[in-house]
Amino acid sequence: QVQLVQSGAEVKKPGASVKVSCKASGYTFTSYYMHWVRQAPGQGLEWMGIINPSGGSTSYAQKFQGRVTMTRDTSTSTVYMELSSLRSEDTAVYYCARDYPIAVAGRPSCWFDPWGQGTLVTVSS
Amino acid sequence: QSVLTQPPSASGTPGQRVTISCSGSSSNIGSNYVYWYQQLPGTAPKLLIYRNNQRPSGVPDRFSGSKSGTSASLAISGLRSEDEADYYCAAWDDSLSGGVFGGGTKLTVL
Repeated sequence: QVQLVQSGAEVKKPGASVKVSCKASGYTFTSYYMHWVRQAPGQGLEWMGIINPSGGSTSYAQKFQGRVTMTRDTSTSTVYMELSSLRSEDTAVYYCARDYPIAVAGRPSCWFDPWGQGTLVTVSS
Repeated sequence: QSVLTQPPSASGTPGQRVTISCSGSSSNIGSNYVYWYQQLPGTAPKLLIYRNNQRPSGVPDRFSGSKSGTSASLAISGLRSEDEADYYCAAWDDSLSGGVFGGGTKLTVL
């Protein structure tokens, strides 16, 4: 079955970087865009960016430009999200989520299914 | 401040019908599909409605979506206690070249 499995919880100090992984299985990895979405404690969902696993092209939300980098490893069907210059406001659960098939949709959408289980990143001194 | 606007809360009694609105603009809802997500406490969101009004397999037909112009709505009929959750609308925004969410609506079943 289609599954996204994320790496475990992280605790980081302000100013540090964190790299979260999302390993896909059960489908053709390069055929679907992958999004990253985060949720601060008690807050709503926030879209961070998207990666095309086929060519590696990315697009990031303006808010995270310059601080976020999304990459992929096609040999292991894994996407990564690295966030740098962490501050306390970055404390959140980070999710990866798969989009609709690229060949069918042709462009990104907000079809997020399935989701990874989430990775809690805590930024604290 | 979310790009899409939802009421922060909604409520109803078992068996009732409730609706949750989602307001956007021409660059998001007005020109792209709307999606709805249900998030139960402590869990990842789940796709509830896709492409404005389509239900994934396994989602009860008590849930329905609609869109008109730059607004959309989610309707839940025959409300059940297990529907108590947070609901989010989402759409692609062509001006921002990215996804945008509503702030979420907490549904309480009285």
